[in-house]
Amino acid sequence: AQKVTQAQTEISVVEKEDVTLDCVYETRDTTYYLFWYKQPPSGELVFLIRRNSFDEQNEISGRYSWNFQKSTSSFNFTITASQVVDSAVYFCALSVGWGKSTFGDGTTLTVKP
Amino acid sequence: DAGVIQSPRHEVTEMGQEVTLRCKPISGHDYLFWYRQTMMRGLELLIYFNNNVPIDDSGMPEDRFSAKMPNASFSTLKIQPSEPRDSAVYFCASSLGRGPLSGELFFGEGSRLTVL
Repeated sequence: AQKVTQAQTEISVVEKEDVTLDCVYETRDTTYYLFWYKQPPSGELVFLIRRNSFDEQNEISGRYSWNFQKSTSSFNFTITASQVVDSAVYFCALSVGWGKSTFGDGTTLTVKP
Repeated sequence: DAGVIQSPRHEVTEMGQEVTLRCKPISGHDYLFWYRQTMMRGLELLIYFNNNVPIDDSGMPEDRFSAKMPNASFSTLKIQPSEPRDSAVYFCASSLGRGPLSGELFFGEGSRLTVL
């Protein structure tokens, strides 16, 4: 069975601070996929990134970066110089194959001006 | 291209009534998923289809829930009879099973169901 743990329920930062959202996963499969999704206050869920288990390269996209470490089963997400528009619930998810994704409980990020 | 389209966006009904939620996936996507989101239980996968065939319905809470996908462009989630504990936001999502975008879920805006 797959499991995703996002230990941080809520995080509050002031604009321009850097913030890291933690994600720890469990799976016995050697091939799997990790995802991050954003759910802003409007409610829709938006895909941010996918990572394959065989590709441990970190990735940077603008102010967003992701750190994937198989040794610690973690896939952490960092927002640099946070902005108010980054306020949302962020979900980490794990998928084995292209079927069902298991989601973490989400981390609510509040960025204050 | 249009995204995943769900209807209705909001539904308020009384206990015991039948509720039907509808979803049109992104054209060309071969996977379709129904999720339910509540404060207590977070995001739960109810059922998913591959090429219109139900693959895993182990998340469907009970026999009151049923889902169909009669063709590649339409799916329904039905609750009959509805109960107050079914109140939640129901999301439909679709994805590709191949290619560089495979596995990424594209979600609809959700259907907010309130059962009184």
